[in-house]
Amino acid sequence: QKEVEQDPGPLSVPEGAIVSLNCTYSNSAFQYFMWYRQYSRKGPELLMYTYSSGNKEDGRFTAQVDKSSKYISLFIRDSQPSDSATYLCATTRDSNYQLIWGAGTKLIIKP
Amino acid sequence: ETGVTQSPTHLIKTRGQQVTLRCSSQSGHNTVSWYQQALGQGPQFIFQYYREEENGRGNFPPRFSGLQFPNYSSELNVNALELDDSALYLCASSPIAGGKYNEQFFGPGTRLTVL
Repeated sequence: QKEVEQDPGPLSVPEGAIVSLNCTYSNSAFQYFMWYRQYSRKGPELLMYTYSSGNKEDGRFTAQVDKSSKYISLFIRDSQPSDSATYLCATTRDSNYQLIWGAGTKLIIKP
Repeated sequence: ETGVTQSPTHLIKTRGQQVTLRCSSQSGHNTVSWYQQALGQGPQFIFQYYREEENGRGNFPPRFSGLQFPNYSSELNVNALELDDSALYLCASSPIAGGKYNEQFFGPGTRLTVL
C-alpha cells in the first residue's frame, strides 16, 4: 500500500464548476500537507500548504485536512481553463524534509 | 530573481551508459534536492545537498550520486543506466536545509529516456 493515495483521473469539469481533489494517507505521523500544481513539461509549483487539521483559503483555492480520517482535499472555486493541470498532494513529518507524494490527478477544465 | 534552471531539457541514452544532469539553484538558495518522476507518478526523493554534502537520501541505489558546488549549483550522476531510469528528473532548491518543505522551488526538469 502506498503511503499517499490519489486518484489519477482524469477529472473533467465545465468552466466555472467547483472542483474537489482528494488524497488519503496512511501514516498518522504526517503533520504537513501540501498541494502542488504541475503543468505539462514543467516542474511542480506549490499552491497551498497546511499544518495538522483544518482549512486554509487562498483566493479561489481552499485546502482542507482531516487528520482523524487521514483525508486531504483541495477545492477550486470558479474553475478556469488555465487551471487545467496535474495536481499533486504531498506530505511530510514534522522535521522530515522528505516529501511523500501522491501520483497526481489530471484536471481538465472545459471552456 | 532567477528561478531554478536545469540542463539539458531532454536526453536520450542507452542502457549501461552514464549521465550527468545539472541544476542551478534559485538565487539565495543553498539547498538542492533531486527527485525522480516516472510517467504518471509523483516525484520520488533521491537526495538532498546542503553545503556541498549529502543531507539525506531516499531509496535509490549508489549508482545515483550527486555533487553540490560552492555556488550551490548541483549535479546528479547516474551510472549503469537501466530502462527503468527513464523519467523526469526534477531539481528543487530551498533557502535552508531541512524542514522547510514549503519553500522548495522546482525547476522544469530533465526528461531522460533510456533505450
